[in-house]
Amino acid sequence: EDQVTQSPEALRLQEGESSSLNCSYTVSGLRGLFWYRQDPGKGPEFLFTLYSAGEEKEKERLKATLTKKESFLHITAPKPEDSATYLCAVRAGGGADGLTFGKGTHLIIQP
Amino acid sequence: ETGVTQTPRHLVMGMTNKKSLKCEQHLGHNAMYWYKQSAKKPLELMFVYSLEERVENNSVPSRFSPECPNSSHLFLHLHTLQPEDSALYLCASSQAGSAGYTFGSGTRLTVV
Repeated sequence: EDQVTQSPEALRLQEGESSSLNCSYTVSGLRGLFWYRQDPGKGPEFLFTLYSAGEEKEKERLKATLTKKESFLHITAPKPEDSATYLCAVRAGGGADGLTFGKGTHLIIQP
Repeated sequence: ETGVTQTPRHLVMGMTNKKSLKCEQHLGHNAMYWYKQSAKKPLELMFVYSLEERVENNSVPSRFSPECPNSSHLFLHLHTLQPEDSALYLCASSQAGSAGYTFGSGTRLTVV
């Protein structure tokens, strides 16, 4: 069974304080690892897709990396508007074309 | 309109009611999905319509019934729900087999 575990569940940082969110996964035949951002009362917003170990992608203050067992979302010098829940998901090699999600990390950036 | 649109945004229904959630996508995608999001739980895949084929999560109760009349529209028909069915119901679309979903804003359902 595919599994995604995110840590920490919640993280509170000061503005400008860099940190990383973790996503550990077990999946049979990874066809993609996805990061989403979700604001309260809204649907998840797509951030990145990573396909193979060693791959990295960046967008503004966010950088996602991938190994064979986990992915990290690095947040550099965050701002209050980066506060949100960050979701990690994987697509497996076989079966239905659906994503398996983790519970998310609730990130709060204090001014 | 662009993206994925869900209606209604909020719904309160009694356990004996019948209601439907609607989702429409304007992205030209060929796959659509229903997800359930409950507090403290991961998003749970309920139904997939991909290339006009339906794939189900066998753990979804029969009181939830999906309908996909074409590649742009998706419905979730609800009947005799339970209070534990209260959650945010999210619709998403994608090109089957390709990267990333586009999600709608969801329908917040409360069963009383």
